[in-house]
Amino acid sequence: NAGVTQTPKFQVLKTGQSMTLQCAQDMNHEYMSWYRQDPGMGLRLIHYSVGAGITDQGEVPNGYNVSRSTTEDFPLRLLSAAPSQTSVYFCASSYDGASGNTIYFGEGSWLTVV
Amino acid sequence: DAKTTQPTSMDCAEGRAANLPCNHSTISGNEYVYWYRQIHSQGPQYIIHGLKNNETNEMASLIITEDRKSSTLILPHATLRDTAVYYCIGRRGAQKLVFGQGTRLTINP
Repeated sequence: NAGVTQTPKFQVLKTGQSMTLQCAQDMNHEYMSWYRQDPGMGLRLIHYSVGAGITDQGEVPNGYNVSRSTTEDFPLRLLSAAPSQTSVYFCASSYDGASGNTIYFGEGSWLTVV
Repeated sequence: DAKTTQPTSMDCAEGRAANLPCNHSTISGNEYVYWYRQIHSQGPQYIIHGLKNNETNEMASLIITEDRKSSTLILPHATLRDTAVYYCIGRRGAQKLVFGQGTRLTINP
């Protein structure tokens, strides 16, 4: 996957803990987004950003915060982790939000909340 | 974004062409058809996309019907490594890709 890096790859959290999933891209893409994928399901959009300083909610934003202070980085924050947030998280980016521009995905971050 | 319908699963023999259909009867005129695949739980891998014309790249070909209500992804010479879940997605804007259940393609030796 071209240039979208996610860390950590695996994380176990206790209920109530907070953490940040990091996402960075080196392609100078304006558009970045976070998805989650639950077992046997398709991906669902959590939050997205069309440029530095601009973020918006997706389909399942509750329990997550994002910010976009630079073009390269788009961290996803879990303020108080819950077992329902156990999932695989994918960060994605695109040159801009135009529908003809390909969205590229990172390799994923596996999060377990116990 | 258009709702897409794909078969739940398909099988194909190694070395043969794999043809994956997708119905998107509600697609709008400015909505692209994208195909991604996901191997195990890796990140979705982009395959190809198109608007009206047929498209071909090093991975696959995309055939879109003239009325744009359906499309077919063709993997010309399937290998075992093409076993994956394939997603057909209609995309109209910046907001999101809507992933359905996809087609689980199994390539058999």
